[in-house]
Amino acid sequence: QKEVEQDPGPLSVPEGAIVSLNCTYSNSAFQYFMWYRQYSRKGPELLMYTYSSGNKEDGRFTAQVDKSSKYISLFIRDSQPSDSATYLCAMSLNDYKLSFGAGTTVTVRA
Amino acid sequence: SAVISQKPSRDICQRGTSLTIQCQVDSQVTMMFWYRQQPGQSLTLIATANQGSEATYESGFVIDKFPISRPNLTFSTLTVSNMSPEDSSIYLCSVVGGGPFGETQYFGPGTRLLVL
Repeated sequence: QKEVEQDPGPLSVPEGAIVSLNCTYSNSAFQYFMWYRQYSRKGPELLMYTYSSGNKEDGRFTAQVDKSSKYISLFIRDSQPSDSATYLCAMSLNDYKLSFGAGTTVTVRA
Repeated sequence: SAVISQKPSRDICQRGTSLTIQCQVDSQVTMMFWYRQQPGQSLTLIATANQGSEATYESGFVIDKFPISRPNLTFSTLTVSNMSPEDSSIYLCSVVGGGPFGETQYFGPGTRLLVL
């Protein structure tokens, strides 16, 4: 069993739709949860970062963590073509070593 | 945030040869990391490079295959030695960003390697 499982996708949605991305994890000791966005031929860039259960909003993005269920989600509201990218979930214990999901590729159609 | 560049951006190599990838950061950083991103798979940490000391390798990665240099606080190289087609991947370097344990990281653009 992989330490972090991410819905594989790909996802294709019309502009303006809500995008929902999900990851589950097996190690209950994970404390820090992140979402990275990776455009084609670019490195990942940090999108959202949280360390507690609940929701965190940043503009059109909401990160949700449910530690009891070992489940994290990222929601993108009013999706735009510029949101087309691969989204990677990542998590860590209490150090710099990150465990990544395999990524979900999202295409937002204009 | 840190600005990271990598050279080369991509390369096609013959099996049995070696390739050295360079990573340059625009500010001094203590820790640099090297990752591998294989198609359809998670980013996997290869090693941590600290200036002035030997790199620390993760399980499954060895120094003979992936020698790393860290001559100063802004630069590191990763060499992929005696390459085989299984080494075809994207190689990324990163540095610590924020968070109490440096768990948020800034990544370079990656080096896309194809081994024939």
